[in-house]
Amino acid sequence: EIVLTQSPDILSLSPGQSATLSCRASQSVTSTYLNWYQHKPGQAPRLLIYGASNRATGIPDSFSGSGSGTDFTLTISRLEPADFAVYYCQQYGNSPTFGQGTKVVIK
Amino acid sequence: QVQLQESGPGLVKPSHTLSLTCTVSGGSFNSGGYYWTWIRQRPGRGPEWIGYIYNNGSTYYNPSLQSRVAITIDTTANHFSLKLSSVTAADTAVYFCARWVLVVPAAISWFDPWGQGTLVTVSS
Repeated sequence: EIVLTQSPDILSLSPGQSATLSCRASQSVTSTYLNWYQHKPGQAPRLLIYGASNRATGIPDSFSGSGSGTDFTLTISRLEPADFAVYYCQQYGNSPTFGQGTKVVIK
Repeated sequence: QVQLQESGPGLVKPSHTLSLTCTVSGGSFNSGGYYWTWIRQRPGRGPEWIGYIYNNGSTYYNPSLQSRVAITIDTTANHFSLKLSSVTAADTAVYFCARWVLVVPAAISWFDPWGQGTLVTVSS
């Protein structure tokens, strides 16, 4: 099973700042199988980025993904109030696994 | 637009069976090509994939849970269901259903959309 480790656990930032979230895999991941999700309390998790760098339908261009191999990054430029949430990376090797999440909180 | 909604008891006694249903609305349930999936999130942890069922009834489960899990589907009623037997407090979690897009030849895979989740507590 591929283990995904996200860092940091909590990111404290102000609206308008940029956020950089990291996802590191225990072994190499096919980048087309690396996704990012946003989750707010009481809501359905939302697909943000698929295939490491492709924005899902309706996702603003303030969200971008990059990376390959074992290191992947989600960048949120110009944080909006609606962007404060928990973010998860997820991969599909022979079985899907998720990271433990990074919580982006208002400073 | 496809929407998923979980339903079922919020409290289950230890050693009993947890049963949840996911109702799919907005189309595509019978069209094939999707894997209907259960995911859970235990307190303080990231999400954990439980298993999937395809429209033809084929299933695949997380090896860590497969001895206790059964997922079934009713395409005429537009829903699929989860049963998890012999539950303990460690099975307390928010349970989500989701549609899994998986196209191995194209090497693409993602979960979208998800239901909003339902909290199941295992306690006597």
